[in-house]
Amino acid sequence: EVQLVQSGAEVKKPGATVKISCKVSGYTFTDYYMHWVQQAPGKGLEWMGLVDPEDGETIYAEKFQGRVTITADTSTDTAYMELSSLRSEDTAVYYCAADSSSFPLGYWGQGTLVTVSS
Amino acid sequence: DIQMTQSPSAMSASVGDRVTITCRASQGISNYLAWFQQKPGKVPKRLIYAASSLQSGVPSRFSGSGSGTEFTLTISSLQPEDFATYYCLQHNSYSWTFGQGTKVEIK
Repeated sequence: EVQLVQSGAEVKKPGATVKISCKVSGYTFTDYYMHWVQQAPGKGLEWMGLVDPEDGETIYAEKFQGRVTITADTSTDTAYMELSSLRSEDTAVYYCAADSSSFPLGYWGQGTLVTVSS
Repeated sequence: DIQMTQSPSAMSASVGDRVTITCRASQGISNYLAWFQQKPGKVPKRLIYAASSLQSGVPSRFSGSGSGTEFTLTISSLQPEDFATYYCLQHNSYSWTFGQGTKVEIK
């Protein structure tokens, strides 16, 4: 069974950095891209970027370019998303999601709530 | 980046209604389009991939069509469990994009 298990909720002050983890099991980590998706309270899904765990190559959405870093650790089958210079608008649930053989974003983590508040 | 314009943003419908949701891409994306369903507090659920292929286990009342720049998700006969928000996702380009979502509410 494929599982993506994310780290727990975070509370951060404006200007800080948050790093969320996503540990996978049930498939070969390097076989599929890992994505991160933001969902602010009451808002839609926003694609942030992806990492190819095979070689570490990344692609970021323009909106997050310069503030987001997505990495993959193949020794622990864990992906990470780091978001810096946090502001109140970054308060959101962040999901990791892996592609499957047929479906983009076929498998999802449970989500991690990040609250940015002074 | 490719923009995805989803419409309507919200709609009210009754059980048994036929529902159609549209996504338009700002440039051609072939059939690199998927549809997801999300209920409040839940993780998005996959419905349709490659624009028209039904994910295993998804009821046949859901269907997708389209290619290029215009795509539709159709629910042939709305059921109580279908009240949710639906999102399209394009994955043709270097940078992927979701539509803004369509909330389907009970009339």
